[in-house]
Amino acid sequence: DTGVSQDPRHKITKRGQNVTFRCDPISEHNRLYWYRQTLGQGPEFLTYFQNEAQLEKSRLLSDRFSAERPKGSFSTLEIQRTEQGDSAMYLCASSFLAGGLSDTQYFGPGTRLTVL
Amino acid sequence: AQSVTQLGSHVSVSEGALVLLRCNYSSSVPPYLFWYVQYPNQGLQLLLKYTSAATLVKGINGFEAEFKKSETSFHLTKPSAHMSDAAEYFCAVTRNTGFQKLVFGTGTRLLVSP
Repeated sequence: DTGVSQDPRHKITKRGQNVTFRCDPISEHNRLYWYRQTLGQGPEFLTYFQNEAQLEKSRLLSDRFSAERPKGSFSTLEIQRTEQGDSAMYLCASSFLAGGLSDTQYFGPGTRLTVL
Repeated sequence: AQSVTQLGSHVSVSEGALVLLRCNYSSSVPPYLFWYVQYPNQGLQLLLKYTSAATLVKGINGFEAEFKKSETSFHLTKPSAHMSDAAEYFCAVTRNTGFQKLVFGTGTRLLVSP
């Protein structure tokens, strides 16, 4: 078990460019979450997948954001036409839910996005 | 709706002193509660969790927390601080069934002085 991994760890881009982040969850985890953390704040929920289905999206997730989880394995988060307000740490978490028990989420190291 | 309030954005202690980080929650359904720690430029590491079993929960690195329903609190404690405990600590709440997004507090930065 190698934990949740995210790539890249850092991304610097110019305003208006598109960026894509990848998250590889712990193997066999059926749930995957994306959160965004701005400086001095706690993480805020963006979206959630159970297997390959995207079941919940936050109102924080504007039309410029899209997430996928093909085949229920890794996930990608794409931001189109980036804005300076998108600068943040993007965190991915995964969990395995079975039998209605607690859904303990394990976090990756995050991708820090800086939009110039 | 659920929310978490962490009192004190910064807490300073001396090495060897008691650590107390406060967390109060609000939830319209029975909650699950978590404490995570975050070191600079890293993701979040789970310290401990309350999932409606024992109200006193022991976690890693000598931390523990007590769920007090009457006070809607889930404060984090450690008897003796180490320099390595210096980090940002986040309390989070989720509901105990179905879709379980975490709702985080704004965090408390723990500073440990020699």
